[in-house]
Amino acid sequence: DAGVTQSPTHLIKTRGQHVTLRCSPISGHKSVSWYQQVLGQGPQFIFQYYEKEERGRGNFPDRFSARQFPNYSSELNVNALLLGDSALYLCASSLGGRGRQETQYFGPGTRLLVL
Amino acid sequence: AQSVSQHNHHVILSEAASLELGCNYSYGGTVNLFWYVQYPGQHLQLLLKYFSGDPLVKGIKGFEAEFIKSKFSFNLRKPSVQWSDTAEYFCAVNAFSGGYNKLIFGAGTRLAVHP
Repeated sequence: DAGVTQSPTHLIKTRGQHVTLRCSPISGHKSVSWYQQVLGQGPQFIFQYYEKEERGRGNFPDRFSARQFPNYSSELNVNALLLGDSALYLCASSLGGRGRQETQYFGPGTRLLVL
Repeated sequence: AQSVSQHNHHVILSEAASLELGCNYSYGGTVNLFWYVQYPGQHLQLLLKYFSGDPLVKGIKGFEAEFIKSKFSFNLRKPSVQWSDTAEYFCAVNAFSGGYNKLIFGAGTRLAVHP
């Protein structure tokens, strides 16, 4: 079975530009979460989506937005890029139940460099 | 505030040495705990998880972790490491709030195993 897939793998943008990152979850998983991993740190939670609805949002500015499609794939959008947005962006999928015992499975990530 | 602390940022071992990586968390609710591993050039993979029951959890590749509630700890262990264990290891707690799960990660521990 295919795991979580993300595209593109690498991206170079300049300050002020906009970027769209894409994610396809594991088949049968209905929830997608996005994380930002800055060099030398652990991943930080950005968003979680379930059945096209935003379930939760981390401490990120409004320049960050996301959406989920009927096929459960997801896009993360970042506007007005800053140098500090340079990071590895990770997508994780999970079944999406409302219970506590959820396991998230991660994709390979998109490495974004902002110049 | 919810947080995860990993005490060792870099660990260097020789093959066959024993490994213990420390992880302490700060979270007021019911905890679900995870260790993820990121091998060079690969994506984050689940190593093991604790949801409930036996506090000694066994994972893949001979790793195990022990949940000690009184110490708020979830340390990772392996009796004899191999060169192929060279990777970055992340401890995470599942913060369940507002009806959804998000992972809070530690900063990671880079393990280098020398032949």
